[in-house]
Amino acid sequence: DIQMTQSPSSLSASVGDRVTITCRASQSIDSYVNWYQQKPGKAPKLLIYTASSLQSGVPSRFSGSGSGTDFTLTISSLQPEDFATYYCQQTYNMPCSFGPGTKLEIK
Amino acid sequence: EVRLVESGGGLVKPGGSLRLSCAASGFTFSSYTMNWVRQAPGKGLEWVSSISTSSSYIYYADSVKGRFTISRDNAKNSLFLQMNSLRAEDTAVYYCAKDYSSSSVYWFDSWGQGSLVIVSS
Repeated sequence: DIQMTQSPSSLSASVGDRVTITCRASQSIDSYVNWYQQKPGKAPKLLIYTASSLQSGVPSRFSGSGSGTDFTLTISSLQPEDFATYYCQQTYNMPCSFGPGTKLEIK
Repeated sequence: EVRLVESGGGLVKPGGSLRLSCAASGFTFSSYTMNWVRQAPGKGLEWVSSISTSSSYIYYADSVKGRFTISRDNAKNSLFLQMNSLRAEDTAVYYCAKDYSSSSVYWFDSWGQGSLVIVSS
């Protein structure tokens, strides 16, 4: 099974900051990585699919990159509503799997 | 607008059973793979199971294989998760999630609000 790791596990940042979250797969997964945002008490929301495609309706300050084993989610200028937990997911093969999450907090 | 509404959660004793349902609307349910994802209290997301459009392809996480059964009724736009031999570690919010794909698992573009399952004596 493919294991996904994320770093950092938590991050403190300020409104307006540029933030990058990293996701690493235990083996090459081409570009089969998706990113989700989850706010407390809410369902996850799809942000990015296939590593770099922006889901409809998601602000352009969110971007994704990477292929193979290393992937990044970047928020170019943090907004107050972006403070949440972010998860990567691989769907290269089954079982699909999520990373452990990165909690983004207000500094 | 895509809408997914889970129901059937609750408190159950260890070893007991529960059946979750997910009512779908706002899209052609029969054309998409559907998934269950769970989240234990204070923990991350864990994929549980996926089912293709005609139920030809079904996948389970090892943690639930042999105890949980996923199914769907395309005529009633409904997804189900039959959970047997429940354990304390199955305690979680269970989310129903629509896949982008009709034939495989790609990405989960719509999610329900979740249904809480508590396994405790």
